[in-house]
Formats: sequence, structure tokens, C-alpha cells
Amino acid sequence: EPEVTQTPSHQVTQMGQEVILRCVPISNHLYFYWYRQILGQKVEFLVSFYNNEISEKSEIFDDQFSVERPDGSNFTLKIRSTKLEDSAMYFCAGDGSQETQYFGPGTRLLVL
Amino acid sequence: GQQLNQSPQSMFIQEGEDVSMNCTSSSIFNTWLWYKQEPGEGPVLLIALYKAGELTSNGRLTAQFGITRKDSFLNISASIPSDVGIYFCAGQLRVGGSSNTGKLIFGQGTTLQVKP
Repeated sequence: EPEVTQTPSHQVTQMGQEVILRCVPISNHLYFYWYRQILGQKVEFLVSFYNNEISEKSEIFDDQFSVERPDGSNFTLKIRSTKLEDSAMYFCAGDGSQETQYFGPGTRLLVL
Repeated sequence: GQQLNQSPQSMFIQEGEDVSMNCTSSSIFNTWLWYKQEPGEGPVLLIALYKAGELTSNGRLTAQFGITRKDSFLNISASIPSDVGIYFCAGQLRVGGSSNTGKLIFGQGTTLQVKP
């Protein structure tokens, strides 16, 4: 069964550094999402992406965040200048025609 | 914004018992999804509900989409130790048009512990 994959599984970075989180969605999916989950809390929506552009973003998704789908397979989330409060699990998700989102295993980001 | 209230927050039960958890919202959704999350992993889809009143089963799991479209419940029958985890409900409101995003709004989760 196809799966969403994410790399790296863990990333430790210094405050102010740029990070890029990578995702390979399921190949026939059309809608792509990033969510984050601060430790012990619920999953929160960050951004949705359809037809090579952002379709919606949350208040969390400020100017420090950006997304790209550079080559038709990878889907990336970039944080330009990380802050301590960006420490969280980041999940990529994809959605085909069934209106059912499948999540990747996540990247655990720790900002020091 | 839209919020989901999920209850109970946690449950500690004996193996073999049945479990019930639910989600309510002040606004309607047209899809309800139930996910299970284990430590350090991503949410895994358990059941998807697309129509008000729909009752769907997946093995020992049964979920229903409330008639008002503002609530859903998940039942687990005859619980086993591997049912341990956090169960999340998520609502989605996808309307017509390419601008609609289908983002998921998650509940706070129900932490389930099963005593063998």
C-alpha cells in the first residue's frame, strides 16, 4: 500500500537557522498539507497546497514559512529563521479524490 | 474559528471492555475522520465518514456521523492492549470550487490505556 514518506525523521537546529522538511506524498494525490503538533497537544493545520499554489494558510504560517513542490513528487516546508517555539512534530498529508487525508510519519524538529 | 470538543480526555480500561468516545462541534462538517496516533508516529486513519447519519465499521471499530453534522462518535469493542494510543477526531468542510482546501480541524484527542 502506498505511503507518505517524510525526511528527516528528526532534526535539531540552532535558533535562527533555516530548515527544510521534505515529504513525498502518495503519487495520485492532488491536495497536500502540512500540519504541526507541539508535544502533548493536538494536530494543527499550517497550510494547504493545490495546483502548485497555496490554497489556504493558518495564522501560524507566517512569512518565515514557505512551501514548494519543486519536481512533481517532493513537497517541502521551509522555515527560514527558526524560533524556539517552532519545535514540534511536522506532518505532511495528502488527499486524492476520496476526501481522506493520509499522514506521513512526521519530522520531529527541535530548535535550540 | 472552528473547534472540536473531544471527550473523554483519557480512559483507562480493562482488556475486553468496550470504549466509546465522541466529538462535538459548534459548526458543521461534511467529512469526519478518526485517527489513531502512537508515540512518535503520525496519525493513522481508522475510519472516514462522508454522510450525515452514516455508520461505518472497521473490524472492532464503529463510528457514526451525527445527523446534525456537528458530532461523531467512535466505539471500540472488546479492547486489546494494542488499542493503546491517542485517538483523534477530525472534521473537514470541503465545499465546491478549487479554492476550497479541505483542511482538517482536529479534536484534542482521547488517550486510551488498556490494562491486560
